Amino acid sequence: TQLLEQSPQFLSIQEGENLTVYCNSSSVFSSLQWYRQEPGEGPVLLVTVVTGGEVKKLKRLTFQFGDARKDSSLHITAAQPGDTGLYLCAGITGTASKLTFGTGTRLQVTL
Amino acid sequence: DTAVSQTPKYLVTQMGNDKSIKCEQNLGHDTMYWYKQDSKKFLKIMFSYNNKELIINETVPNRFSPKSPDKAHLNLHINSLELGDSAVYFCASSHRGLNTEAFFGQGTRLTVV
Repeated sequence: TQLLEQSPQFLSIQEGENLTVYCNSSSVFSSLQWYRQEPGEGPVLLVTVVTGGEVKKLKRLTFQFGDARKDSSLHITAAQPGDTGLYLCAGITGTASKLTFGTGTRLQVTL
Repeated sequence: DTAVSQTPKYLVTQMGNDKSIKCEQNLGHDTMYWYKQDSKKFLKIMFSYNNKELIINETVPNRFSPKSPDKAHLNLHINSLELGDSAVYFCASSHRGLNTEAFFGQGTRLTVV
């Protein structure tokens, strides 16, 4: 069974702070995605990383895929209240487009 | 203009009842999924259909039966509901293949009492 452990589980920070969320597995994935989910909504894709060691930036968010394609990190610079939500990593394997989701990180950014 | 829509959004029912959740996507995707999100927000795949054919069937009780009448629809029927079935069920769709983006519906919060 493929497991993706995210840390931390919960994070409460003030506006302007930086943070990093980690997504770790013992399994190798073809690619890895990060989603954000807001209350009462479904997850929405933020990014897909494909190549080991790949770094992608989306405004204040920086995503990295581990060299061995087993782990990933999400770094947010100068967090804003609008960043509040549940962050989910998801590993993709096989041609069936099966997503294995991580355990989730709940982020709250306060003024 | 909702891309993936599922109904109902809320469902409260008694143990032992049978219920269905419907899902439709207008994105032209060939693959649809059902995911279950538990109270700890853990999201786990249940089923996946590609062009109406079942391609992923995780370890799910056979009380759960998906049905895909066409590529744009994937319904979930649940028989003999149990307390442990209470969760949020998400429908999603995508193009089949690696690195594809999955689009999720708003979820159906099922509460079994």
